[in-house]
This record gives sequence, structure tokens and C-alpha cells, in this order.
Amino acid sequence: DVKVTQSSRYLVKRTGEKVFLECVQDMDHENMFWYRQDPGLGLRLIYFSYDVKMKEKGDIPEGYSVSREKKERFSLILESASTNQTSMYLCASCVIGSEQYFGPGTRLTVT
Amino acid sequence: GEDVEQSLFLSVREGDSSVINCTYTDSSSTYLYWYKQEPGAGLQLLTYIFSNMDMKQDQRLTVLLNKKDKHLSLRIADTQTGDSAIYFCAVGDEIKAAGNKLTFGGGTRVLVKP
Repeated sequence: DVKVTQSSRYLVKRTGEKVFLECVQDMDHENMFWYRQDPGLGLRLIYFSYDVKMKEKGDIPEGYSVSREKKERFSLILESASTNQTSMYLCASCVIGSEQYFGPGTRLTVT
Repeated sequence: GEDVEQSLFLSVREGDSSVINCTYTDSSSTYLYWYKQEPGAGLQLLTYIFSNMDMKQDQRLTVLLNKKDKHLSLRIADTQTGDSAIYFCAVGDEIKAAGNKLTFGGGTRVLVKP
């Protein structure tokens, strides 16, 4: 079974803090994705990576950066968290042309 | 860019059929997916259809695709309380070297009443 894990289920941070969200997959998938999920807006793609050290901006990359130093790990970084980044963050991975497998999500609250 | 629309909410009685609708704008969308999200969980792929198909059936699930109207639907037969969840429609471009980028709809919350 494919397993995608995220480092935290719930996270509370203060405005201006640097925040790291970690995602690990155990199926040697080339592609990894970070989405945010907000009510009524569905999932919006922040960044994705199709190989180690490779990254592409998604639809809403502003305020975020990513790091993929190892194939199994994809990190989302909020350099200076703001209240409008309070959201559910979902990580996914897949091989090229296949379905995406999702982690359980991290609910981030920025106060 | 691609736009994917779904209604926000659907309420059905246990044992009835549920039909969740989705419309999209990009006619070159090749892969069309339905994901299910249960409370507190990530998304789970339910089923998918390729754009060269009109219908796909998988046990209680039936997917219908109307390419002319760019309309996708998911029918759940004999809906059970365990089917209460948020259902997301997602569409994907042609496979590119960079991987399968998907555009998601806003999700339809399905509530099954006993």
C-alpha cells in the first residue's frame, strides 16, 4: 500500500514565524505535490516537484517555497506565516501518468 | 486556465441513489477523476475515466462523461451512511513529463440521512 505521511495533523503558529510542513512517501514516486484546501475552493496547487531538486510553481505559490532534497521527502515552507495562510495543507505523490495518493493533511492555524 | 465547478451540497436518504455533478471548461482534459474525502482524512481516489470513454461502472459507482457539454457525473447506487463525505471532481491535462497536474472542483458535501 502506498503511504504518504505528513509531519503534523494540527499546527498552530504565530504571524511572522517560519513554518515547515514535511511530507514523506514510501513508494519511490517521482512526482510530489502540495495543495491547500479551503472551504468552497477545493484544492489549489501551491507547488509540485517532478524530481529531486526540481520544482514548479502551481496556481498559488506566493508566500510559499518548497524543498526536495531527497526523492521521498517534499517540504513546504512558509517563510513568514500570515493569517491568510490558515488552511488545510495536503501533500500528494504519484508516478507519471498515475493517480495521486494523498496524505492525511495538516491543519495549520496562524494567529 | 481550467475551471472546475461543483455544487456545494447534496442530501440523500439511505438506500437512494446519489448523483454528483461536475462541469469543466478545458476540452483537452484527458483524465477525469472522482476523489472522496472523509472527515479528518486525506483524499482517496474513487474512480476515474478517460476522455475517450462515455461511461464507466465500478460496483455501486457509475461515472458518466458528456464531452460535448463538458459535464461529468458520479452516481452512487444504494447510498449508505458511510458514503457521507466530500466528493471532489478533478481533471488533468495530457500527461506531461512534469507529471499529472490536476485541477480540482470545490467539492460536494454529501450527507446521507438514515
